Amino acid sequence: KQEVTQIPAALSVPEGENLVLNCSFTDSAIYNLQWFRQDPGKGLTSLLLIQSSQREQTSGRLNASLDKSSGRSTLYIAASQPGDSATYLCAVDNAGNMLTFGGGTRLMVKP
Amino acid sequence: NAGVTQTPKFRILKIGQSMTLQCTQDMNHNYMYWYRQDPGMGLKLIYYSVGAGITDKGEVPNGYNVSRSTTEDFPLRLELAAPSQTSVYFCASSYSAGLQPQHFGDGTRLSIL
Repeated sequence: KQEVTQIPAALSVPEGENLVLNCSFTDSAIYNLQWFRQDPGKGLTSLLLIQSSQREQTSGRLNASLDKSSGRSTLYIAASQPGDSATYLCAVDNAGNMLTFGGGTRLMVKP
Repeated sequence: NAGVTQTPKFRILKIGQSMTLQCTQDMNHNYMYWYRQDPGMGLKLIYYSVGAGITDKGEVPNGYNVSRSTTEDFPLRLELAAPSQTSVYFCASSYSAGLQPQHFGDGTRLSIL
């Protein structure tokens, strides 16, 4: 059974810092890995999707990497802003659109 | 751009009552999903559907039922509400399997007292 772990559970940084969120998974036979953002009281917004054959994906200030062999992914956020404050969720797709989620990292960016 | 719409947004039920959580999407997606999210936890898959008339169980299906009579709608039914079903329920949809991200609704917050 796939298990997904996110470390740290919570993170507080001053505005402008570059930061890294970590995601690890136990079963490397994946279709893809996805990073989502969740704002309080809202649903999830897809940030980046990395196919199993890819090593990384970039969108603006966000860069996600994938190392299947070690069962790890990182989400890099450059020049963090207060508007980046949210919970970030990592999810792994093992069976073609059946996602297993990590517990999330709650990020606070202080002005 | 409505996307995925869930109703109601909030609901309080008594133990043993039943209710249906509604989900509709206007993106012509074949795949639809129901998740639950408990406080401080990630999402867990309850049921999913790969098209009208086809549904299958996810990780935590006990106590729930679904149907998919149209491409747009995917209601989730709780027959005998129990306190353990207190959670936030999210509906999602996607166009293809494994290639496109899932699109989520804003959730239904359900309390069973």
